[in-house]
Amino acid sequence: QKEVEQDPGPLSVPEGAIVSLNCTYSNSAFQYFMWYRQYSRKGPELLMYTYSSGNKEDGRFTAQVDKSSKYISLFIRDSQPSDSATYLCAMSGLQGAQKLVFGQGTRLTINP
Amino acid sequence: DAGITQSPRYKITETGRQVTLMCHQTWSHSYMFWYRQDLGHGLRLIYYSAAADITDKGEVPDGYVVSRSKTENFPLTLESATRSQTSVYFCASSESGFYGYTFGSGTRLTVV
Repeated sequence: QKEVEQDPGPLSVPEGAIVSLNCTYSNSAFQYFMWYRQYSRKGPELLMYTYSSGNKEDGRFTAQVDKSSKYISLFIRDSQPSDSATYLCAMSGLQGAQKLVFGQGTRLTINP
Repeated sequence: DAGITQSPRYKITETGRQVTLMCHQTWSHSYMFWYRQDLGHGLRLIYYSAAADITDKGEVPDGYVVSRSKTENFPLTLESATRSQTSVYFCASSESGFYGYTFGSGTRLTVV
């Protein structure tokens, strides 16, 4: 079993829809939770970062962490065609960088 | 220009040949990383470095060699390329590692 599980999709939704992307994990030591966005033939770029449990909002994006369920989510409101990309969750424990583990990535398409 | 650059962007090599992928960052970040990205596996850590002259293995280090004589450079060498090393390789850097990395644009390597 992988430490981080993410449904690879693909996921296709109409423009303006609310998108929910999720990851589950098994390592209870994870404390740092991140979401990366990766456009085709580009490197991943950091989208959201959360430490421990709770919610974080940035514009149309909201990241949620539920450590009791070992479950993290990324919500995209008022989705736009420019949001079409692969979204990767990533997480690490207190040892930091060298323990960053990525999910497989979910491929998202927003249809105009 | 500030940032992290990888070269070459595309490379085709023959089985058994040695090939080196270059990575250069301009921020003087302490941490640097090499990942490979494959369908079905997501991003997997090959090697990382916490500082100049300090390197350590990641999840999939076999067949790869790294060095870091200068803080800004972190080359990855495939000593004797195999077809299974056909992949997209990403370099990343981070000041602390605790809130995510900045990735390069990737090198698409094909071993024939």
